[in-house]
Amino acid sequence: AQSVAQPEDQVNVAEGNPLTVKCTYSVSGNPYLFWYVQYPNRGLQFLLKYITGDNLVKGSYGFEAEFNKSQTSFHLKKPSALVSDSALYFCAVNHGGYQKVTFGTGTKLQVIP
Amino acid sequence: DVKVTQSSRYLVKRTGEKVFLECVQDMDHENMFWYRQDPGLGLRLIYFSYDVKMKEKGDIPEGYSVSREKKERFSLILESASTNQTSMYLCASSLWAGQSENEQYFGPGTRLTVT
Repeated sequence: AQSVAQPEDQVNVAEGNPLTVKCTYSVSGNPYLFWYVQYPNRGLQFLLKYITGDNLVKGSYGFEAEFNKSQTSFHLKKPSALVSDSALYFCAVNHGGYQKVTFGTGTKLQVIP
Repeated sequence: DVKVTQSSRYLVKRTGEKVFLECVQDMDHENMFWYRQDPGLGLRLIYFSYDVKMKEKGDIPEGYSVSREKKERFSLILESASTNQTSMYLCASSLWAGQSENEQYFGPGTRLTVT
């Protein structure tokens, strides 16, 4: 079985400050980890993924995520938040050879001007 | 760019009606998925398909069926709509390369209300 947890329903951050959206996972074998973003009234958009290699993954719109195997975490980060980053963020996990992806419950990011 | 389109953005149906939600992708992806999205529950997989005429149950298949007659098209069917199927429905597709490292591309969603 595989699962992913996003412990925070909402994260508030001031514009210009660094942001972190947390994600932890549980999977047997090596994980494939993803972050998606959903802007209001839109479908989900892919941000970045970790498959193998460097633990720090860079993605779209200046976002990055750090894979930590010992803590089974894959937190999303950005050095300086923009108001336009306000959206719903989903973490997702699966493992090699398994086509079903499990999504977290989502974290609403609110960037305050 | 990958494009995934869904037949309706908003749909209102009555209890007991048969409902069809259509999804089309234009990137020759093998995998296609149907999810429902509810506040506080995230995305839950209803069904997915990895090839024409092939389907696999997801986590919440009860009350739904699917059809994939052509590679680019994946339909979700509510045989007899009920109020607890009021939700946002998202279709997605992805490339299958023997491993599951490929990201999914999502359509804009269909907000279904069953009254």
